[in-house]
Amino acid sequence: QKEVEQNSGPLSVPEGAIASLNCTYSDRGSQSFFWYRQYSGKSPELIMSIYSNGDKEDGRFTAQLNKASQYVSLLIRDSQPSDSATYLCSLQRGSARQLTFGSGTQLTVLP
Amino acid sequence: GAVVSQHPSRVICKSGTSVKIECRSLDFQATTMFWYRQFPKQSLMLMATSNEGSKATYEQGVEKDKFLINHASLTLSTLTVTSAHPEDSSFYICSALGTSRSDTQYFGPGTRLTVL
Repeated sequence: QKEVEQNSGPLSVPEGAIASLNCTYSDRGSQSFFWYRQYSGKSPELIMSIYSNGDKEDGRFTAQLNKASQYVSLLIRDSQPSDSATYLCSLQRGSARQLTFGSGTQLTVLP
Repeated sequence: GAVVSQHPSRVICKSGTSVKIECRSLDFQATTMFWYRQFPKQSLMLMATSNEGSKATYEQGVEKDKFLINHASLTLSTLTVTSAHPEDSSFYICSALGTSRSDTQYFGPGTRLTVL
């Protein structure tokens, strides 16, 4: 079982819709979770971090964490074509705080 | 926000040559830096963890004699790909842990390496 699993997509949503990205993880001891956005040919940029069960909102983005179900999600409200990218779910592990990434979900927002 | 730079952004070299990639934290001190590799259509794979003043810790399957990492100061880590071959062609990305927000990694813009 992979440490971090994501649906690879591609996921297509119309402009203005809600995009829902999901991620599961295998290590129950994981405490820190991150969503990164990566445009083609660019390096990842941090969108959200979440550490506690529940929802965390930042603008159009909402991260949800359910440690009992080992599930993390990212909702993007009012999706824009500029949100089209690959979204990477990651968790932090180890004393050096290394990141383990999922395979990424490719999102396309259709104008 | 915290800024991490990489140099060069793109390099093309002949097979058998060595290539050095620099990663700098511009406005913060980074005791720990990470090096990742990303092949087309794949996710980031951690290659090694670099701690200032000590030897790097390599992930399983990464050849430490081929990918030399030096972290000589709190703002600079270098990755040298020795005797590069076409299969080493990839997107190499570094990240740095900020000491003030020690759980957040800041990524550099990446280096595209093409070995002919």
